[in-house]
Amino acid sequence: DAGVTQSPTHLIKTRGQQVTLRCSPKSGHDTVSWYQQALGQGPQFIFQYYEEEERQRGNFPDRFSGHQFPNYSSELNVNALLLGDSALYLCASSGDRGVAYNEQFFGPGTRLTVL
Amino acid sequence: RKEVEQDPGPFNVPEGATVAFNCTYSNSASQSFFWYRQDCRKEPKLLMSVYSSGNEDGRFTAQLNRASQYISLLIRDSKLSDSATYLCVVRGLYSGGSNYKLTFGKGTLLTVNP
Repeated sequence: DAGVTQSPTHLIKTRGQQVTLRCSPKSGHDTVSWYQQALGQGPQFIFQYYEEEERQRGNFPDRFSGHQFPNYSSELNVNALLLGDSALYLCASSGDRGVAYNEQFFGPGTRLTVL
Repeated sequence: RKEVEQDPGPFNVPEGATVAFNCTYSNSASQSFFWYRQDCRKEPKLLMSVYSSGNEDGRFTAQLNRASQYISLLIRDSKLSDSATYLCVVRGLYSGGSNYKLTFGKGTLLTVNP
């Protein structure tokens, strides 16, 4: 049973560029959340997708956008990259019913470095 | 006040020690509480949920005090493999309805020494 997968594992970009990160949820999960984790900090919620719609959003600017596909996989797009966007980007999947609703399973993350 | 605040740490303890992690949260309407564990350069993984009556899983005991908005995690007989960052996590209500997001504390690094 494959867990949450993310690609790429590492990425180096320069300021002003755009980046797309990808996530495939755990089998049987239909909900995908994205988090940003800066060095030495806890993960911060960016947004959550369910039924191909953004269901909830954290305090991130519009430069951060996302998409969910019919197969439940998801993309995170960041435009006009800033140095401060350098972080580990984590994708988490969950089911939307019962106990699975509470537990979010995290992928290994994509480490983004902006130069 | 930060939404979720933890002991800054780090904690360095010998094998076999008992170590306690403390956490406070600001939203009194918070619904669900968790402890996650994160190994160095890895993703967070759920260690245990925290229930109002307190709960135990082997060497790990979690407590919740809603009146004080306080959560704790106790690790007894600590092992080398317990070395990790421990993250206090809360899910709470927000205006507009259900809250799906997890709010994480900054984490407390634990190193268990031989």
